[in-house]
Amino acid sequence: EAGVAQSPRYKIIEKRQSVAFWCNPISGHATLYWYQQILGQGPKLLIQFQNNGVVDDSQLPKDRFSAERLKGVDSTLKIQPAKLEDSAVYLCASSLELGSPYSYTFGSGTRLTVV
Amino acid sequence: DAKTTQPPSMDCAEGRAANLPCNHSTISGNEYVYWYRQIHSQGPQYIIHGLKNNETNEMASLIITEDRKSSTLILPHATLRDTAVYYCIAHGGYGNNRLAFGKGNQVVVIP
Repeated sequence: EAGVAQSPRYKIIEKRQSVAFWCNPISGHATLYWYQQILGQGPKLLIQFQNNGVVDDSQLPKDRFSAERLKGVDSTLKIQPAKLEDSAVYLCASSLELGSPYSYTFGSGTRLTVV
Repeated sequence: DAKTTQPPSMDCAEGRAANLPCNHSTISGNEYVYWYRQIHSQGPQYIIHGLKNNETNEMASLIITEDRKSSTLILPHATLRDTAVYYCIAHGGYGNNRLAFGKGNQVVVIP
């Protein structure tokens, strides 16, 4: 089966610019996650969707980050405006349903560098 | 979810069994132990999970102590491709939505 697709693979922007990341989950996976992974740390959950509804966005910095999952399939994560501390790898994952970590599949991520 | 403790790094010899420890002394009765690994420049990959019985699959074996306060992930014949960061996570099962990763254990397989 095809994996979780993410684009772009790399992005370099200046601080205060905007950026968007795209994710296409595995077909049939109802739950989609965005994680932020800062160098040397484990991934941190930013937001979680069940179909096209938000389940958990408690760790999303809502003053600058936004995400949507239109039609319950693809998702976009946006940062506006970016700060230096947003430099990280942004990982998208999908799973069959809530609370089934054995079915999590991660994409390879987008590496963002803010200069 | 209960906190887990892993060594920050370890080396193991190619072709030998690699035993990766994890402490989870505050784990509650409904929390499973999950193991993921992250190879450089890739996203994390699910390996195995268990509640209280030992588990084995094509990738690894998971040994959980009887008191469930610690576990060991065993890679039976380590290869260079097993070099990765390994994460041990205690997770509360269905309905608990957040899979929380720590810093993990950087495992290097040495030829």
